[in-house]
Amino acid sequence: GNSVTQMEGPVTLSEEAFLTINCTYTATGYPSLFWYVQYPGEGLQLLLKATKADDKGSNKGFEATYRKETTSFHLEKGSVQVSDSAVYFCALSDRGNQGGKLIFGQGTELSVKP
Amino acid sequence: NAGVTQTPKFRVLKTGQSMTLLCAQDMNHEYMYWYRQDPGMGLRLIHYSVGEGTTAKGEVPDGYNVSRLKKQNFLLGLESAAPSQTSVYFCASSFSRSSYNEQFFGPGTRLTVL
Repeated sequence: GNSVTQMEGPVTLSEEAFLTINCTYTATGYPSLFWYVQYPGEGLQLLLKATKADDKGSNKGFEATYRKETTSFHLEKGSVQVSDSAVYFCALSDRGNQGGKLIFGQGTELSVKP
Repeated sequence: NAGVTQTPKFRVLKTGQSMTLLCAQDMNHEYMYWYRQDPGMGLRLIHYSVGEGTTAKGEVPDGYNVSRLKKQNFLLGLESAAPSQTSVYFCASSFSRSSYNEQFFGPGTRLTVL
């Protein structure tokens, strides 16, 4: 079945460091790919998405490119801030199954120190 | 717009007790979902609804029931709570099942079953 695998956390970085969170997926067909962010005590918010191969999603300085050849959707940011501390979830849409549910990775906790 | 709201935010139950979690959305979305979030496992789909009056099972439906009597509300019930149901529960809604449409999440309900 379809699945998503993320790099394990927690990840601890200093402010202004470069961030990469790896995400790979297994899927039949052509799913859309998402990154959601969960700030402490809150629900999930969509950070960015890509709906087809080679698309680049971007938002708030974060970027991710849909790579079909490597089945990856790695999240990157050039210079992280303390306010980026959160849990990041990679997900794919399974629109052919169970109402178009999202399949999530296990989440990666990011902590940014001043 | 309030988006997706959930009540209650926190609840502690004893084994065998029952309760209902309420999810409400004001975006006129057709699709609604209940997920549970457990450490190291991301989010998993419990039940979903593709419209008023319809419900269907997700990946982990055992021990839960749902109802969607009104388009804007999606209720999740636990008839006889078990410690294995200790989790954070998230409701989400979407305009359609299309993978182009994001899911909007509520703030979550943290449930502890003793």
